[in-house]
Amino acid sequence: ETGVTQTPRHLVMGMTNKKSLKCEQHLGHNAMYWYKQSAKKPLELMFVYSLEERVENNSVPSRFSPECPNSSHLFLHLHTLQPEDSALYLCASSVLGPTGGYGYTFGSGTRLTVV
Amino acid sequence: KNEVEQSPQNLTAQEGEFITINCSYSVGISALHWLQQHPGGGIVSLFMLSSGKKKHGRLIATINIQEKHSSLHITASHPRDSAVYICAQVGAGSYQLTFGKGTKLSVIP
Repeated sequence: ETGVTQTPRHLVMGMTNKKSLKCEQHLGHNAMYWYKQSAKKPLELMFVYSLEERVENNSVPSRFSPECPNSSHLFLHLHTLQPEDSALYLCASSVLGPTGGYGYTFGSGTRLTVV
Repeated sequence: KNEVEQSPQNLTAQEGEFITINCSYSVGISALHWLQQHPGGGIVSLFMLSSGKKKHGRLIATINIQEKHSSLHITASHPRDSAVYICAQVGAGSYQLTFGKGTKLSVIP
């Protein structure tokens, strides 16, 4: 374990389902991130939360809905997804200071398959 | 446009070989990361560099800020080093990581 825990590790869902991905860190970091890794593509930033406020929403469709109830937990709520949303979803955390982010720590990811 | 280019995309080596993976980026950075991703997805941070050189075991990472280039070297490679190695940069004053596409390394016994 790296210090960032993601659940579940694997998820298969139908296009009409609603599910949630969970991420948890107890590293004392003040920023948390959701990244998407599709086949043959680099990791793409989806959302950034700093001190529980969303600071970045990288043109992500509304069928992905993030939630950050406190600085240790981050959720990604999924509804009416499309097969092309099948990917690896990675959570990360870092310290975010006035000069930028450091100490990035990644979770093991959730492998999502939409059928 | 902020881009990170890695080479090679795929690399096959015999056990014991010295391996080099290269990363070039296009804008000024505050830091550059080398990450390792094993099958199954989990990513481990290997190095964070803002200048010079760092060494950890058989892994060495170097960065040349003027040339906007970094290299990851693996000495005495081993099959357990087989993974995807990803370069990522943090722009100056930013928190956002921009990732390369990764280099898939296979080390054959």
